[in-house]
Amino acid sequence: QKEVEQDPGPLSVPEGAIVSLNCTYSNSAFQYFMWYRQYSRKGPELLMYTYSSGNKEDGRFTAQVDKSSKYISLFIRDSQPSDSATYLCAKGINAGGTSYGKLTFGQGTILTVHP
Amino acid sequence: NAGVTQTPKFQVLKTGQSMTLQCAQDMNHNSMYWYRQDPGMGLRLIYYSASEGTTDKGEVPNGYNVSRLNKREFSLRLESAAPSQTSVYFCASSGVHGQGYNEKLFFGSGTQLSVL
Repeated sequence: QKEVEQDPGPLSVPEGAIVSLNCTYSNSAFQYFMWYRQYSRKGPELLMYTYSSGNKEDGRFTAQVDKSSKYISLFIRDSQPSDSATYLCAKGINAGGTSYGKLTFGQGTILTVHP
Repeated sequence: NAGVTQTPKFQVLKTGQSMTLQCAQDMNHNSMYWYRQDPGMGLRLIYYSASEGTTDKGEVPNGYNVSRLNKREFSLRLESAAPSQTSVYFCASSGVHGQGYNEKLFFGSGTQLSVL
């Protein structure tokens, strides 16, 4: 079993829809979670990160972590065509209070928002 | 502010040829990384350098070598390229931020490598 599992989609939604992107993960020690967005032929860019269970909001984006069920989600409200991209969930591990970017990524979900 | 710069953007090699992918960052970050991205596999860590003067293996290091030339530059070398190394390669960097964590990666735009 991969450490981080993500449905690759593709996912196609109309403009204005609420989008839900999901990942499951294994291994539970000292973890933090991130969502990256990657436009075609570009490098990933960080969207959201969270260290704990619960919700974190940033504009139209909400990251949700449920550590009891090992489930992480990204919700996009009022989706726009400019949100069309690949979304990657990622997991990292804190080690003794200092962590490095040794992230484990999911496979990525391809999202298309059509006008 | 250029961020993370990778060269070249595209490269085609024949099996057995060697090449070096170059990466430089201008954000004064301590840590640098090389990832590869393959369809259905996500991003996988090849090598990383936590700080200048140190390098360590990641998840898929076989067939690669790295050099942390200085704080700004981190190169990835393929000594004898194989078709299995056909991939998109991303360099990334990270630095300590307010909470003392070093995990926010800033990526370059990638190198698309084909090995025939």
